[in-house]
Amino acid sequence: SQTIHQWPATLVQPVGSPLSLECTVEGTSNPNLYWYRQAAGRGLQLLFYSVGIGQISSEVPQNLSASRPQDRQFILSSKKLLLSDSGFYLCAWREQRPSGANVLTFGAGSRLTVL
Amino acid sequence: AQSVTQPDIHITVSEGASLELRCNYSYGATPYLFWYVQSPGQGLQLLLKYFSGDTLVQGIKGFEAEFKRSQSSFNLRKPSVHWSDAAEYFCAVAPSWGKFQFGAGTQVVVTP
Repeated sequence: SQTIHQWPATLVQPVGSPLSLECTVEGTSNPNLYWYRQAAGRGLQLLFYSVGIGQISSEVPQNLSASRPQDRQFILSSKKLLLSDSGFYLCAWREQRPSGANVLTFGAGSRLTVL
Repeated sequence: AQSVTQPDIHITVSEGASLELRCNYSYGATPYLFWYVQSPGQGLQLLLKYFSGDTLVQGIKGFEAEFKRSQSSFNLRKPSVHWSDAAEYFCAVAPSWGKFQFGAGTQVVVTP
C-alpha cells in the first residue's frame, strides 16, 4: 500500500532563517505531488505541484520554492522566512492519469511557526 | 472557473444527533466531488467521493453524501454523530483530472 511521509512535524524558526520541509511517497511511482498551506482559520491554498522529476509549477508568487530531486520526493524550501510563512503545510500525492485513481492523499502535515 | 462554497463556517451538534454539512459548487459540467475530514493538527482524510453513477455515496465512518445536479450541491450527512466526529470538514471539486478546489471548511463541534 502507498504511504506518504512528511517531516518535520513541527518547526519553530526565526524570521530570516532558511526552511526545508520534506515529503516522500512510498508504494507508487511517478506520482503527482502537491504542497498546500493552511493559514490559521483559512482553507487550503495550493502552493506548488509537480508531475515529474524537476518539473515544478508554482500557483502563488511567494517567498517559497519547491523541488523534486527524486521521483517520490518533494521538498519545500525558503531562503529567508517571513512571519507570513507561518502555517500548516500539507503534502499530497495523486496517481498519474488516466488509469490512476483521481484522489488526493495527504500527509500528516508540518506546523511551521516563524517568530 | 470552478468554485466551492461551504456556507457554514461552524456547526455545533449534540452527540447522537444528525449532522448535515452543505456544499455547493460552480462548474460547467459535473465535476468529481469529494469530502475530506481533518482532525486538529492532522492531515486531511478522504471520507468519500463521487465520480458518476448512484448519486448517494457511502463513505467511511458512517458518512454519506448526496449529489444533486439541479442544485449543484453535494451535502454530507451522518445520522448520529459521535464525539470523535468533531473535526473540520472540507468539500472539494476537481474537473476530471484537473486541480482540486477546496471549500473553506466547516468546523464541527460535538457537545455531550
